Amino acid sequence: AQSVTQPDIHITVSEGASLELRCNYSYGATPYLFWYVQSPGQGLQLLLKYFSGDTLVQGIKGFEAEFKRSQSSFNLRKPSVHWSDAAEYFCAVGPDDKIIFGKGTRLHILP
Amino acid sequence: DAGVTQSPTHLIKTRGQQVTLRCSPKSGHDTVSWYQQALGQGPQFIFQYYEEEERQRGNFPDRFSGHQFPNYSSELNVNALLLGDSALYLCASSLSFGSTAFGYTFGSGTRLTVV
Repeated sequence: AQSVTQPDIHITVSEGASLELRCNYSYGATPYLFWYVQSPGQGLQLLLKYFSGDTLVQGIKGFEAEFKRSQSSFNLRKPSVHWSDAAEYFCAVGPDDKIIFGKGTRLHILP
Repeated sequence: DAGVTQSPTHLIKTRGQQVTLRCSPKSGHDTVSWYQQALGQGPQFIFQYYEEEERQRGNFPDRFSGHQFPNYSSELNVNALLLGDSALYLCASSLSFGSTAFGYTFGSGTRLTVV
């Protein structure tokens, strides 16, 4: 069965520091992988997605993610975070007609 | 270009009552999926509608039902509300062809509180 694990419930980084959010997935075939961001009280916004090809994927707001098949991982990175990046981040896996989400990682930014 | 629109934004209901939530998909999208997001959790798939039919369903009881209209808008109905149904209900729209390949466009959700 498909599943997504985000091992970190909360992550705190200082503004300007680099960021890596971890995501591991379980899926029987080549997955479609997604990262979404959710600001408080809001819906989810797609940051980036991976289908195939280049394993390093660029997204919006300066985020990138790397697909590592051998590790079943799809970690999200950003070289320098801004206070506005404080939000909840969800990793998700497809490509069945329903997307399965992880439980999320809440990102806190220190000034 | 309007995104996904959900109404109402907030709702308070009493246990045992019934509720209807509404969703208008993004222009050009014809598939609507509904998710339940409990506090502190990731979204959980409820069901998906395409061509006015339920195409897939998650692990939710029959108290949860839906409908899709010819204009692709959708409703989520929940009967016999329980306290545990309190959550943010998210609607997501997509194109039928390779619907997950491009991800979903989500609405801002309806916050349902059952008291």
